[in-house]
Amino acid sequence: DIQMTQSPSFLSASLGNSITITCHASQNIKGWLAWYQQKSGNAPELLIYKASSLQSGVPSRFSGSGSGTDYILTISNLQPEDIATYYCQHYQSFPLTFGSGTKLEIK
Amino acid sequence: EVQLVESGGGLVQPGRSLKLSCLASGFTFSNYGMNWIRQAPGKGLEWVASISSSSSYIYYADTVKGRFTISRDNAKNTLYLQMTSLRSEDTALYYCASHGGSGYYFDYWGQGVMVTVSS
Repeated sequence: DIQMTQSPSFLSASLGNSITITCHASQNIKGWLAWYQQKSGNAPELLIYKASSLQSGVPSRFSGSGSGTDYILTISNLQPEDIATYYCQHYQSFPLTFGSGTKLEIK
Repeated sequence: EVQLVESGGGLVQPGRSLKLSCLASGFTFSNYGMNWIRQAPGKGLEWVASISSSSSYIYYADTVKGRFTISRDNAKNTLYLQMTSLRSEDTALYYCASHGGSGYYFDYWGQGVMVTVSS
């Protein structure tokens, strides 16, 4: 099984700043990676798929990059509505697995 | 507008069974693969099962294999999860979600249905 190691677990940043969240796969997932945002009490929402493709309707402040085993989610110009927990997920093979999540707080 | 509405959750004793449903609308259900993902209280996301558009391909997490069965009725636009031999560790919010045409990432999610396994 492919393990997804996500870091950090918790992040505090100021409005207008940029942040990065990383996800490391235990083997090459060839870009088959998605990122989700989950706001408190809500279902997750897809942000990014295929490592860097922005889902329709997602603000361009969100971007993804990476290849092989290492991937990054970047949020630029942080907004109050970005308070959420973020998860990565690989879909290279079954079983599908998620990272453990990054909780983002605005300072 | 895509809508996925789960139902069938509740409180159930260990060892008993429960069947979840997910009613889809706003898209051509029969063209899309579907999935169940769960989230234990205060925990992260765990993929449970996936089914292709025509039910030809079905996959399960090891934690539920042999106990859970995913199925679909394209005529009724409905996805199901039959859960048997339930354990306390199956307690979670269960989401249904569609997967993207280019891979098993989850593009639309329901709001979830709670399953509590307790005596």
